[in-house]
Amino acid sequence: DAGVTQSPTHLIKTRGQHVTLRCSPISGHKSVSWYQQVLGQGPQFIFQYYEKEERGRGNFPDRFSARQFPNYSSELNVNALLLGDSALYLCASSFYDRTEAFFGQGTRLTVV
Amino acid sequence: DQQVKQNSPSLSVQEGRISILNCDYTNSMFDYFLWYKKYPAEGPTFLISISSIKDKNEDGRFTVFLNKSAKHLSLHIVPSQPGDSAVYFCAASGAGTYKYIFGTGTRLKVLA
Repeated sequence: DAGVTQSPTHLIKTRGQHVTLRCSPISGHKSVSWYQQVLGQGPQFIFQYYEKEERGRGNFPDRFSARQFPNYSSELNVNALLLGDSALYLCASSFYDRTEAFFGQGTRLTVV
Repeated sequence: DQQVKQNSPSLSVQEGRISILNCDYTNSMFDYFLWYKKYPAEGPTFLISISSIKDKNEDGRFTVFLNKSAKHLSLHIVPSQPGDSAVYFCAASGAGTYKYIFGTGTRLKVLA
């Protein structure tokens, strides 16, 4: 069975640009969450979507947005990139909104 | 304000011995706890979870203990194997919320 897949795996962007990260959850999973992990820290919650509705949002600026599609895949969008947005972006899926979450391999974003 | 704390950034254990990883939390509303293992360049891998209605949960070599009065949980790995060498994160979630709060991680090194 395919796990959570994220694309792209690596990305380099310039300050001020926009980026879109994509995530396909495990088949049958209806909940997708996004996390940001910077070096030396644990993952920080950005968004959760369940059945295509936003259920939660972390302490991130409005430059960060996301959506979930009818097939439960998801996109994370970040506008006006800053150097501080450089991080590993992780997508996690779960069957319900409070069961164990399974993570993808992440997208390493570097902003230069 | 770090609601989930892993105060030991690293731990070294001999192969075959027990590894004990600790985690403390401050929010008494947390009622669901998880442990994840992370290898470099991979996303976190779910290991084991525990609900606040229990004080122990076992899965093979992994056992999680929860002490609600002390707001403390621990992960025991017995016996430890070199392949267990990774960064371990604990995470917590509260009723009515949709996010996991992660600790900063403990790097476990199992020596052959």
